[in-house]
Parts: sequence; C-alpha cells; structure tokens
Amino acid sequence: SQTIHQWPATLVQPVGSPLSLECTVEGTSNPNLYWYRQAAGRGLQLLFYSVGIGQISSEVPQNLSASRPQDRQFILSSKKLLLSDSGFYLCACQREFAYNEQFFGPGTRLTVL
Amino acid sequence: AQSVTQLGSHVSVSEGALVLLRCNYSSSVPPYLFWYVQYPNQGLQLLLKYTSAATLVKGINGFEAEFKKSETSFHLTKPSAHMSDAAEYFCAALRGTASKLTFGTGTRLQVTL
Repeated sequence: SQTIHQWPATLVQPVGSPLSLECTVEGTSNPNLYWYRQAAGRGLQLLFYSVGIGQISSEVPQNLSASRPQDRQFILSSKKLLLSDSGFYLCACQREFAYNEQFFGPGTRLTVL
Repeated sequence: AQSVTQLGSHVSVSEGALVLLRCNYSSSVPPYLFWYVQYPNQGLQLLLKYTSAATLVKGINGFEAEFKKSETSFHLTKPSAHMSDAAEYFCAALRGTASKLTFGTGTRLQVTL
C-alpha cells in the first residue's frame, strides 16, 4: 500500500530564511505528485504538481519552488521565506490503480516569524 | 474554470442528529467529485468519491453523498452524528489533466452532547 512521508512535521523559521520541505512516497512507482498549502481559515490551494522526474508545473505565482530529483521524492523550497508563506503544507500522490484519487501525507506545519 | 463552493464554514450538530454538509460545483461537464475529512494537524483522508457511476455514493464512517446534476450539488450526509465525526470536511472536484483537485474552503463540523 502507498505511504507518504513528510518532514519535518513542524517548522518555525524567521523571515528571509531558506526552506526545504521533503516528501517521499512508498508503495508506488511513477506517481503524479502534488504540493498543497492550507492557510489558516482557508481551503487547500494547489501549488505545484509533477508528472515525472524533473517535470514541475506551477499553479500560482509565489515565493516557492519545487523539484523532483527522484521518482518518489518531491521537494518544496524557498530561498527567502515571507510571513505569508506560513501554513500547513500537504504532499499528495495519485493513488495507484485509482488514477482519479489522491492520497495525502501527514503534512508540515510551517510558521514564519 | 471549475470551482467548488461549500456553504457554511462551521456546522454544529448534536450527537445523534443528522449531519448535512453542502457542496456545489461549477462546471459545464459533471466532474469527478470527492469528500475528504481532516482531523486536527493531520492530512486528508478520503471519505467517498463520485465517478459518474451511481449517483448515491456510500463512504467510510457511515457517510454518504448524492450527486444531483440538476442542482450541481454533492452534499454529504450522515444519519446520526458521533462525537468522533468532529473534524473539517472538504469537497473537491477533479479538473483538467494530471488529476488536479480544486477544493472548497472547507466546513468545520462540531458535534455537541
């Protein structure tokens, strides 16, 4: 069965510092991968998705970037964090054998001070 | 462009009462629709999905949803609320290629004694 690992689970960073959030997937191969952000009191916003190694699509202009160096690894980064980058970041993958479903990781809570 | 609207950011019901969480979608083509549940500081868990088969969809934990094309709705119901149902619920629609999801803003369900 599929498992998604995200780390760290929580992170407090100062404004202007860099960011690297990691997501790894087990139990499937060549999945579509997604990064979502959930800001306080708001729904989930799709930030990036990837259909394969090195293939990244951005949904909204922002201060963040994503990379997919390996088939089952998806990284969310920033060179300089803004206060508005605070939120709950969720990684998701397309569920194997159910291509219209997404399976979500446990999330990373990021607080930028 | 496709959108998902959830009426009511907060819903409170008594334990044992009917749960009704509303979701309307905007699309010229009936999409795949989903309900997810999120417990505090956790990822999202799929409750149920509509994929153009039966219009009444049964999910986990006693929840079900009915797809009504004429009303562009996909409301979530449960006959009898339990304290453990307290969580945030998100309606989502599949859109475009790469199985991207558009989420509603969520409804927080409170269950009281």
